[in-house]
Amino acid sequence: AQTVTQSQPEMSVQEAETVTLSCTYDTSESDYYLFWYKQPPSRQMILVIRQEAYKQQNATENRFSVNFQKAAKSFSLKISDSQLGDAAMYFCAYRGSNTGNQFYFGTGTSLTVIP
Amino acid sequence: KAGVTQTPRYLIKTRGQQVTLSCSPISGHRSVSWYQQTPGQGLQFLFEYFSETQRNKGNFPGRFSGRQFSNSRSEMNVSTLELGDSALYLCASSDRDRGLAGELFFGEGSRLTVL
Repeated sequence: AQTVTQSQPEMSVQEAETVTLSCTYDTSESDYYLFWYKQPPSRQMILVIRQEAYKQQNATENRFSVNFQKAAKSFSLKISDSQLGDAAMYFCAYRGSNTGNQFYFGTGTSLTVIP
Repeated sequence: KAGVTQTPRYLIKTRGQQVTLSCSPISGHRSVSWYQQTPGQGLQFLFEYFSETQRNKGNFPGRFSGRQFSNSRSEMNVSTLELGDSALYLCASSDRDRGLAGELFFGEGSRLTVL
């Protein structure tokens, strides 16, 4: 089975600074997508960014970007110019061609933004 | 479009009871997945329903069951509740026609406390 590992249970960042959240995954599939989801306190989880395994170019969405290292099976999320609204749990997730519609999630990283 | 709606939002049960949770997906989404979220465990996949058929099932005991109706609304049921079933139960809908790139759209969850 695929596994997704987030080794940082908690992170903090100063407002306006940059922070990087780590994620590693294990798979034998070649066709898959990786996702980062954000879960604000007591609010629903929303998609932050996604990356296709076949694309070498790292995905970017405004202040959010990823560093996708396919050989190392690493998929980190960089948040630039951190804002108070970025405070949330962040989950890394994997979806592969052989896993149907099942997503595999990491255990999450709780991000605190310090004013 | 209205988002994914889950009811009830909060509920308290005692051991041995059963519970039914409901989920209405985004209009047009025929896939509904259920996840159990607990602190430190992240999100664990329960099952997915598509076109009223269970397509995939996670590693949970038979006490956890679900179904999907012709309008794509889904319910999950947990029988003979145990203390360890206390968790946030998340429902997510998706558009399978988007293939691997399609993301999950989550509801706000049903928080179950078992006493």
